Amino acid sequence: AQSVTQPDIHITVSEGASLELRCNYSYGATPYLFWYVQSPGQGLQLLLKYFSGDTLVQGIKGFEAEFKRSQSSFNLRKPSVHWSDAAEYFCAVGPGYSSASKIIFGSGTRLSIRP
Amino acid sequence: ETGVTQSPTHLIKTRGQQVTLRCSSQSGHNTVSWYQQALGQGPQFIFQYYREEENGRGNFPPRFSGLQFPNYSSELNVNALELDDSALYLCASSQDYRAETQYFGPGTRLLVL
Repeated sequence: AQSVTQPDIHITVSEGASLELRCNYSYGATPYLFWYVQSPGQGLQLLLKYFSGDTLVQGIKGFEAEFKRSQSSFNLRKPSVHWSDAAEYFCAVGPGYSSASKIIFGSGTRLSIRP
Repeated sequence: ETGVTQSPTHLIKTRGQQVTLRCSSQSGHNTVSWYQQALGQGPQFIFQYYREEENGRGNFPPRFSGLQFPNYSSELNVNALELDDSALYLCASSQDYRAETQYFGPGTRLLVL
């Protein structure tokens, strides 16, 4: 079955510290992979996406993610977090031909920033 | 270029009633997808409209229906509301049905009592 797992429900990091949010997926074919961020009262904003090519993907707001096929993972990283990064983060997976009907979201990781 | 807008922002209904939610897509986009996001969960795909036709549906009952208009704005209708329909409803617009890059609206928070 196709699924996305975000093992960490809530993470707290200090401002200026590095961040890694985990995402594991189960998918039958080579997937499209996405990370979205949702601030309170806001819709989702796309941080980055991976379709093919270089497995290290750069996104907006200083985020990057690495696709590791052998581990079925697509972890999100940021070298130094800012207080404004506090939000809910969602990993999502879709088929290679990317139709919205097949995009599956994880349950999210809530990020809190310690001053 | 305007972003994706949704109305209303909040809504309270009682069980058994009907509700219509609205979404204006981003300029130049012909595809709108609707998602339900229950509290503490990720969004779940309801359906997608591409050029005024339904183009894919998730695991939702027929009482969830939609429309897309010639200007590519869209409506989500839910009949016979149930308590479990309480959620944030998100719409997302994209340039085409592949939805490789979706732009989400702020959502409509629906509470069913």
